[in-house]
Amino acid sequence: AQSVTQPDIHITVSEGASLELRCNYSYGATPYLFWYVQSPGQGLQLLLKYFSGDTLVQGIKGFEAEFKRSQSSFNLRKPSVHWSDAAEYFCAVGAGIQGAQKLVFGQGTRLTINP
Amino acid sequence: EADIYQTPRYLVIGTGKKITLECSQTMGHDKMYWYQQDPGMELHLIHYSYGVNSTEKGDLSSESTVSRIRTEHFPLTLESARPSHTSQYLCASGRVKLFFGSGTQLSVL
Repeated sequence: AQSVTQPDIHITVSEGASLELRCNYSYGATPYLFWYVQSPGQGLQLLLKYFSGDTLVQGIKGFEAEFKRSQSSFNLRKPSVHWSDAAEYFCAVGAGIQGAQKLVFGQGTRLTINP
Repeated sequence: EADIYQTPRYLVIGTGKKITLECSQTMGHDKMYWYQQDPGMELHLIHYSYGVNSTEKGDLSSESTVSRIRTEHFPLTLESARPSHTSQYLCASGRVKLFFGSGTQLSVL
């Protein structure tokens, strides 16, 4: 069965600084990988996804992520964070079973932005 | 903007009550999901559906039940709520890209 580990429960960065959120996954086959963001009191919004092809994927809001099969990682990055990026970030791995995309989520990383 | 709606947004209820959490989507998605999320924890899949009259249990065991009589509607029911059911319940739809509702925060006293 697939699993996801987000080693950092809480990260604080200054506005304008660069950001990297770590994600490690466990899955026997080629994974579908996702990053979702959850603002307080809101549902989850998809930032980006990786299925195949180019291992560096671009997402919304200036985020990108790089798939590294050798490290079983899918880290999320942003060159310069904005105060509005403060939120909870979830990495997820998906396995299509009978066409249903069952996602397994990591524990999440809470991002705090210092002014 | 995702067209998936959950009601109520917040629910505080006493032990033993029957409750139904509503989830509706207007995107015509066949596949819908219910996730349970405790504070500071990951989301766990508790139910999913491939389409009308199709429902399956997810990875996390749950005492709740679901039904899928119409494509756009995927309600979740707890026959007798208990304090252990206190959690946030998130509904989602989609095949690859999932769209999430804003969730229902359930508190059972």
